[in-house]
Amino acid sequence: LAKTTQPISMDSYEGQEVNITCSHNNIATNDYITWYQQFPSQGPRFIIQGYKTKVTNEVASLFIPADRKSSTLSLPRVSLSDTAVYYCLVGETLYGGSQGNLIFGKGTKLSVKP
Amino acid sequence: GAVVSQHPSRVICKSGTSVKIECRSLDFQATTMFWYRQFPKKSLMLMATSNEGSKATYEQGVEKDKFLINHASLTLSTLTVTSAHPEDSSFYICSAMTSGRGSYNEQFFGPGTRLTVL
Repeated sequence: LAKTTQPISMDSYEGQEVNITCSHNNIATNDYITWYQQFPSQGPRFIIQGYKTKVTNEVASLFIPADRKSSTLSLPRVSLSDTAVYYCLVGETLYGGSQGNLIFGKGTKLSVKP
Repeated sequence: GAVVSQHPSRVICKSGTSVKIECRSLDFQATTMFWYRQFPKKSLMLMATSNEGSKATYEQGVEKDKFLINHASLTLSTLTVTSAHPEDSSFYICSAMTSGRGSYNEQFFGPGTRLTVL
């Protein structure tokens, strides 16, 4: 499973756009990229997932360059409630026959200030 | 949809006793469930993977005789911490996955169980 590297922490202010970049130099062809959000004493919550180029949903955008060795989670206009730890994970597709194991890295602790 | 529950949400027990934690997928059938452990201010660590009707696959360093996992149905997996010790105190999180739900292998996580062993 590909290892991921993220900044340990980031600070931002309400209303700003936050971009968190994750490096995954050893990503394999069958790997996809997923981001999760975790609040203290809660289970992780799925944010977004992608394989290449750009993916956007109602809460975030995910930018993946052509070489797929990194990805950037973009949170538009963050609020205080976005203060959490954000994890970037890479994993094989379920349909490729894998068990779907997800290995969590250390994550990025985002602190949003008023 | 895609809700995973855990019970209990927190438990305090005496050293040497056993504690059972339940993980349920409420609105879908989970072919695979995962158990994670998370220490304070640390990341989640995968403990084991369980498929319904078969033995769990444990990650390296996780004692299978201490952390008993049973995935008896497509909606329920249990983790039993046997002969608990204070060092087993942690936040235990389960997740569930099904091939017919979500994209790729999206996992749906439970809210976690806080175990404190005195």
